[in-house]
Amino acid sequence: KNEVEQSPQNLTAQEGEFITINCSYSVGISALHWLQQHPGGGIVSLFMLSSGKKKHGRLIATINIQEKHSSLHITASHPRDSAVYICAVDRGAQKLVFGQGTRLTINP
Amino acid sequence: EAQVTQNPRYLITVTGKKLTVTCSQNMNHEYMSWYRQDPGLGLRQIYYSMNVEVTDKGDVPEGYKVSRKEKRNFPLILESPSPNQTSLYFCASINRAGTGELFFGEGSRLTVL
Repeated sequence: KNEVEQSPQNLTAQEGEFITINCSYSVGISALHWLQQHPGGGIVSLFMLSSGKKKHGRLIATINIQEKHSSLHITASHPRDSAVYICAVDRGAQKLVFGQGTRLTINP
Repeated sequence: EAQVTQNPRYLITVTGKKLTVTCSQNMNHEYMSWYRQDPGLGLRQIYYSMNVEVTDKGDVPEGYKVSRKEKRNFPLILESPSPNQTSLYFCASINRAGTGELFFGEGSRLTVL
């Protein structure tokens, strides 16, 4: 079983819909990262969380340390949000473990 | 502009021909790391470095070497590349002294024939 599991693996939605991507992990962590990877490959950091909730524009990330679970929400989704979203946990000792990614497609 | 720069972006080579993928960051970050990304396997850590002259193995270090002689550079060396090292490689640095944000290079797509 992977240490980091994301769901769903693929998600297709219509423009304007509220999107939720989930990340569950099975190890102790010091922080959790949400990343975005557009077609063409570049990876951009969206959030780094160690507790609670963060918001940036239409993106919201939450983490529940006790339940070992994090969610990434996108409000008022837009076709430009189409990308692969990757959860990564920092296990401490400078080691990152990545989820498999969620491929999001937003149709106009 | 804060950035991590990798070169080359694309490379096709043959088995056994030594190659180096360079990585440079301009943010004075102490922590740098290399990852490879393969379909179905996601991103996996190859090597990381916590500071100059301090490096350690990640989850898939076999067939790779690294060095960290200066803070800004962290090259990945494939002494004798093999076809199973065909992959998309990313270098990253982390602002551990500040926000903890991850900064990735643009990726290097390597094909070993």
